[in-house]
Amino acid sequence: DAGVIQSPRHEVTEMGQEVTLRCKPISGHDYLFWYRQTMMRGLELLIYFNNNVPIDDSGMPEDRFSAKMPNASFSTLKIQPSEPRDSAVYFCASSNGGPPVEQYFGPGTRLTVT
Amino acid sequence: GENVEQHPSTLSVQEGDSAVIKCTYSDSASNYFPWYKQELGKGPQLIIDIRSNVGEKKDQRIAVTLNKTAKHFSLHITETQPEDSAVYFCAAVNFGNEKLTFGTGTRLTIIP
Repeated sequence: DAGVIQSPRHEVTEMGQEVTLRCKPISGHDYLFWYRQTMMRGLELLIYFNNNVPIDDSGMPEDRFSAKMPNASFSTLKIQPSEPRDSAVYFCASSNGGPPVEQYFGPGTRLTVT
Repeated sequence: GENVEQHPSTLSVQEGDSAVIKCTYSDSASNYFPWYKQELGKGPQLIIDIRSNVGEKKDQRIAVTLNKTAKHFSLHITETQPEDSAVYFCAAVNFGNEKLTFGTGTRLTIIP
């Protein structure tokens, strides 16, 4: 298996632009998680899905952030409009629900908003 | 909700020595405690985990201990090697909840 796939690996954009991050989970996994990692705040869970349905989006920082999972093999995280403080590494992870709840992380997308 | 504290934030040890990273958690309902290793430019990867009905678990040079009464757990790496250099994260969760709560991470540097 190729593991969790994320694209793009790097994204540089200007403030105010729309950014879309993409994730393909491991086949057969029914949970998908979006995390944000920064030096200041560490690894934060933004939202997670079970069977394509959003379960907990309490970590989404504000309305500028939205996430979708139209099918079992694809998810997007969108930021519109982007701001410099959104600069971070965004990880997607998937799991088969356990227990235990081992999560498999993708390589991440490094987002820079100038 | 759960709160996980992790110490130290940075740790440097001589190659061949042991390294210990400690975490405390707040929610007594948490019953699963994984440790993740993150190498530069990569996502975190699970290296070892422990369930609440076990006090210690070992996998080659890595071991984890759990003290449920005190609500703390530790990662022990023996005979450290340069490839152990990475950021390590502890986490805690209740099996009924898929939401892991991560510690703030420990940057481990192995000095050759």
